[in-house]
Amino acid sequence: GAVVSQHPSRVICKSGTSVKIECRSLDFQATTMFWYRQFPKQSLMLMATSNEGSKATYEQGVEKDKFLINHASLTLSTLTVTSAHPEDSSFYICSARVGGLGEKLFFGSGTQLSVL
Amino acid sequence: EDQVTQSPEALRLQEGESSSLNCSYTVSGLRGLFWYRQDPGKGPEFLFTLYSAGEEKEKERLKATLTKKESFLHITAPKPEDSATYLCAVQFPEAGTALIFGKGTTLSVSS
Repeated sequence: GAVVSQHPSRVICKSGTSVKIECRSLDFQATTMFWYRQFPKQSLMLMATSNEGSKATYEQGVEKDKFLINHASLTLSTLTVTSAHPEDSSFYICSARVGGLGEKLFFGSGTQLSVL
Repeated sequence: EDQVTQSPEALRLQEGESSSLNCSYTVSGLRGLFWYRQDPGKGPEFLFTLYSAGEEKEKERLKATLTKKESFLHITAPKPEDSATYLCAVQFPEAGTALIFGKGTTLSVSS
């Protein structure tokens, strides 16, 4: 199957700092990538949909100025959590849609963010 | 109201004890229903996609079925390595191409 690489896998930061998470499609071009957030024992919640070369579409309740998404190329999307606070601590997962394989989505391995 | 509901929340089985997980959905115009497996601290791993009522797919000890309002993931003679959280997700026109996930069923298989 297609490979989606997410980095870093774990990050600890101080409150008020910014953190960037990268999501790369390694062996395919992803015109659309999705960012999810998952709290312990909860479902994956869609945060935003990013399309290469255009602005991301954010879900209701997700602050676009706080969660900056950039999808500058067909193989890379980044999520930057700006001015992080402890309540932003969560598991962030990206996924990419693979053209030609129906509606199958492949997921990265996730990033555990802990804000102190 | 949740659009995707999974039950039970948690399931404990003995090795070899077959069972089923349920995923019910309320969306209309279903484009696809997906099953994923998620291990702790990892991203979801794709298992199956089902598109129409009556469709079935199998992979090793897992079999997924779909009706008009729900899907079942049947686990036959499970092994401890099948222990994981199983996630169901749906795709429907109003959500674009994104997946809407249920909360998952955490399966524990003991030997």
